[in-house]
Amino acid sequence: DAGVIQSPRHEVTEMGQEVTLRCKPISGHNSLFWYRQTMMRGLELLIYFNNNVPIDDSGMPEDRFSAKMPNASFSTLKIQPSEPRDSAVYFCASSPGQTRTTEAFFGQGTRLTVV
Amino acid sequence: EDQVTQSPEALRLQEGESSSLNCSYTVSGLRGLFWYRQDPGKGPEFLFTLYSAGEEKEKERLKATLTKKESFLHITAPKPEDSATYLCAASTSGTYKYIFGTGTRLKVLA
Repeated sequence: DAGVIQSPRHEVTEMGQEVTLRCKPISGHNSLFWYRQTMMRGLELLIYFNNNVPIDDSGMPEDRFSAKMPNASFSTLKIQPSEPRDSAVYFCASSPGQTRTTEAFFGQGTRLTVV
Repeated sequence: EDQVTQSPEALRLQEGESSSLNCSYTVSGLRGLFWYRQDPGKGPEFLFTLYSAGEEKEKERLKATLTKKESFLHITAPKPEDSATYLCAASTSGTYKYIFGTGTRLKVLA
């Protein structure tokens, strides 16, 4: 398996523009997570899905952020409009399901820079 | 509120100098305690899962232990290639999410 695949790897955009980050989880995994990582705050959970259904979006900073999972093999995180303070590395992760041996597997991340 | 705290924030060791990293957790019903390694520019890579107090896991020069309040990652005779950020995360019963600490940046000098 190729692991969790994220695109793009790097994104530079101007303030006010819409940004869409994409994620393909590992096949057969039931849970998907979006995290944001900064030096100051570390890894913050933004939202997670179970069986394509959003379970907890309490970490989404504000209404400018939205996430969807239209099917088991694809998810998007959208920021509209983007702001400089959104600059960070965004990670997608997936896990097999809610069993005792569950751990999350991470993608390589998308480094977002908003200028 | 569920919380995971790691210390120290950064650690510099000479090659061969053993040490331990700490992960303290305050969560409602621990389902699992996870250790990850993260190299610059990459996503976190899974190392260990611990489920109950007293449990230990080992992999090469790394050994993870768990008590009811904290977990330790012991590094024995580290090498420069062990340099990375080490993250711990807690997963709580009744939820699907993983709560991460801010990590320990380890630098091993040759």
